[in-house]
Formats: sequence, C-alpha cells, structure tokens
Amino acid sequence: EIVMTQSPATLSMSPGERVTLSCRASQSVSTNLAWYQQKPGQAPRLLIYGASTRATGIPARFSGSGSGTEFTLTISSLQSEDFAVYYCQQYQNWPYSFGQGTKLEIK
Amino acid sequence: EVHLVESGGGLVQPGGSLRLSCAASGFIVSGNYMSWVRQAPGKGLEWVSTIYSGGDTYYADSVKGRFTISRDNSKNTLYLQMNSLRPEDTAVYYCARGVFGGTFGYWGQGTLVTVSS
Repeated sequence: EIVMTQSPATLSMSPGERVTLSCRASQSVSTNLAWYQQKPGQAPRLLIYGASTRATGIPARFSGSGSGTEFTLTISSLQSEDFAVYYCQQYQNWPYSFGQGTKLEIK
Repeated sequence: EVHLVESGGGLVQPGGSLRLSCAASGFIVSGNYMSWVRQAPGKGLEWVSTIYSGGDTYYADSVKGRFTISRDNSKNTLYLQMNSLRPEDTAVYYCARGVFGGTFGYWGQGTLVTVSS
C-alpha cells in the first residue's frame, strides 16, 4: 500500500501571499497524483490531476508539480476563498490513497 | 450537468446493515468508473470502493468482504451494500464519478452513516 504524507499539517497565511503545499509518496506514483480542495461542510473538489494539469474551471493561480515521490501544490496569490483543507491522492496502485490533508488557515 | 445524490445513511447498530444509493443524472453510470469515498468525523478522506464500466470492482482492505458496490443501469444508480458494520465505519459517504484516470472529478453531497449502540 502506498502511503501519502502531506506537510505541513496546518499553514497560516495571509491573502495575497504565495503558498506551497507538499505531498510525498512512500513509493513512486509516476505522475498519477491528484489534488483536492475541501471546504467545511462541502464535498471535495478536484483541482489538479496528472500531477500538474488543472481540472476544468480551476483558476490559473493553482499549479501542481512533481513526479515520482515528491509533489507540490502552489497557490500563487491566496484569495479568501482558498482557505480550506487540501488533500493529495495517488492513483498509481490499488488501494488508491489520500494524504492526511493540509489545512490552510488565515493568519 | 453532472449531478450525484446520495441517500440511505442513518444510525445503525454494530453488526447491522445499510444500503447506500447514489442517483446520477447528466451522464451514464454504467459507462464510467464510479467510487465511494468516506470521511470519518473530523478526519481525512478514505477511498472505499470502485466499480469500472466493465464491471470490475475494487475494495479497501478495511471493507473487503463486508461491503459490496453495484449499480442498476435501468435506474442509473450506484449502490453500496454495507454489512457487518463497525463503529469505525462511521463516516460521511460520498459517491464520486471518476475522470482522468483514477481521480474523482464529480462528487455528491454525501450521506452520514453512524454505527453505534
């Protein structure tokens, strides 16, 4: 089973700042890596797939990079609506697995 | 427009059973890979099960042998039959339509399952 580890657990940032979230896989997942955003009381939303491709309707301020075992999600300029929990997910091997999440909170 | 609506959640005693439903509109369930993902209260996301268009099914080890994923093509609906429920199965259960390989591109609003005596 592939274990996904996200860091940090919580990030306190201000609107307008640039932020980078990290995700590490316990073994290579190639670029079979997705990022999701979840706000309180809502279902997750797909942001990035294939490690770096934005899903339909996702603003250009969101970008993903990485391959193998190390991945990042960058938000170039935080907007108020970006404060949420972010999860990475590998779909290289069964069982598909998620990271434990990074909570992005307002400083 | 893609729309997914889960139902069937509720309070059940340990050892009991529930069947969750996910009614889909805007696309054909049998032509897509469909999944269940759950989230325990205050916790992260956990993949539970997937059914492919060809009928192949996959399960997390934590539910294998107890849960069964299926679909009714005539009703365009996805199901999750959950037997021998345990307190650790307590969670919001989301159905999701797969897109772009093994990702979850469309989600329902979720249905809460509580396993408690």
